[in-house]
Amino acid sequence: QVHLVESGGGVVQPGGSLRLSCAASGFIFSNYAMHWVRQTPGRGLEWLALMRGDDNKKYYADSVKGRFTISRDNSKNTLYLEMNSLTSDDTALYFCAKNLDGNYGLDYWGQGSLVTVSS
Amino acid sequence: DIQMTQSPPSVSASVGDTVTITCRASQFISRWLAWYQQKPGEAPKLLIYGESVLHTGVPSRFSGSGSGTEFTLTIRGLQPEDFATYFCQQANSFPLTFGGGTKVEIK
Repeated sequence: QVHLVESGGGVVQPGGSLRLSCAASGFIFSNYAMHWVRQTPGRGLEWLALMRGDDNKKYYADSVKGRFTISRDNSKNTLYLEMNSLTSDDTALYFCAKNLDGNYGLDYWGQGSLVTVSS
Repeated sequence: DIQMTQSPPSVSASVGDTVTITCRASQFISRWLAWYQQKPGEAPKLLIYGESVLHTGVPSRFSGSGSGTEFTLTIRGLQPEDFATYFCQQANSFPLTFGGGTKVEIK
C-alpha cells in the first residue's frame, strides 16, 4: 500500500533554512506528481507546491515562490522541499501527498513534519 | 486565486443523522472538486474526487454532488467514526486551494 513518511522538520531561527524529505513506497514514484501542503490552526490547509513526475514541471503558491523549492529524486523515491528565508508565518505541520491520477486531488498523505520558526 | 468557502463551520449531529456540508468556489471549477476527512492528530484522507467519485474504500454513505461553483458533501446515516473535520479542495487550477473546514461534532 502507499506509504509516505516526512522527515527533516524541527526548530529553526527566523531567516534560516530547512529541507524536508518525503520517502515514498507502495507505488511507482516516478509516474506520479507529488505535493507539499501545510496546515496551521489559523490558516487551515495551504497548498504549497507540486512537481510532476513526467516532465518535472513545478508549480508554487505565491506565498512560497522564490523561497521554497520542490524537487525529487526518483532513484530514491524521495520528494524534497527546500525552505529558505523562513519566517514565523512558515510555522506549520508540513505534509507531502501523492497526486491522484488524472486529477489534481491528493489521494494519499504522509503523517506530517512539524516546522517551528522561532528565535 | 480561487477562494473556497465552506459552510457551516461546524455542525452538531447524532449517530444515524444525515449531514450536508456546502462548498462554494469563487470561480467556475466545473467538477474539479475533492473532499477530505481529517481526524485529530491524523493527516487528511481523500473521500471524494471529481465532485462525486468515491475514493477507494470510502463507504457509500458518503456522497458528493454539484458542479460549477456550488458543491455538497452528504453523509447519510452518520457513524461514530465520521465525527471529524471535512475540507473541500478545488483541483481546477493552480494554486490549488482548500475550504476552511467543517467540524462534525457529536450532539
